[in-house]
Amino acid sequence: KAGVTQTPRYLIKTRGQQVTLSCSPISGHRSVSWYQQTPGQGLQFLFEYFSETQRNKGNFPGRFSGRQFSNSRSEMNVSTLELGDSALYLCASSLQGSGANVLTFGAGSRLTVL
Amino acid sequence: QKEVEQDPGPLSVPEGAIVSLNCTYSNSAFQYFMWYRQYSRKGPELLMYTYSSGNKEDGRFTAQVDKSSKYISLFIRDSQPSDSATYLCAMSVGGTNAGKSTFGDGTTLTVKP
Repeated sequence: KAGVTQTPRYLIKTRGQQVTLSCSPISGHRSVSWYQQTPGQGLQFLFEYFSETQRNKGNFPGRFSGRQFSNSRSEMNVSTLELGDSALYLCASSLQGSGANVLTFGAGSRLTVL
Repeated sequence: QKEVEQDPGPLSVPEGAIVSLNCTYSNSAFQYFMWYRQYSRKGPELLMYTYSSGNKEDGRFTAQVDKSSKYISLFIRDSQPSDSATYLCAMSVGGTNAGKSTFGDGTTLTVKP
């Protein structure tokens, strides 16, 4: 069974640019969550999508956005990149997004902003 | 102050030692308590989860939750070098907020042969 796939794995951008990251969840999983991981702040919740609708949102500025497609694949976008956006962006999927909601994470997309 | 505080590391133990990892939290609405393990250059993987208070055992791993004290622990018995990783506690309210987990900062464990 394929796991959660994130692309690209590594990317380098410059300040002011925008970036789009992609996540393919485990087949059958309808909930996709995004997290940012940095050495200073740890793992922080960005947002969650369930059945193409944003269900929960973390405390990040509007430059961070996402969407989910009908096949449950998800993308997140960061506009007007800042140096502080350098981080590992993790996507996690779960079966139905309720109850215990066991999250299965992808390997992440490591973004470096120069 | 963060909602979830995790004992900082790093932690270094000899092979075969018993390891105790701990987290405290402030949000009494948390119902689900998880432990994840993260190896370098990988995403976190779920080790165990517990609903509400109590203990749960899985092989060499035991998770304990004390909601009255807002304190959770993960014990690793007979630790192995392959257990060397960063351990993250996480908590969730559940329900329609189940996709949002709040994580501790992680404790890096090294088990020396």
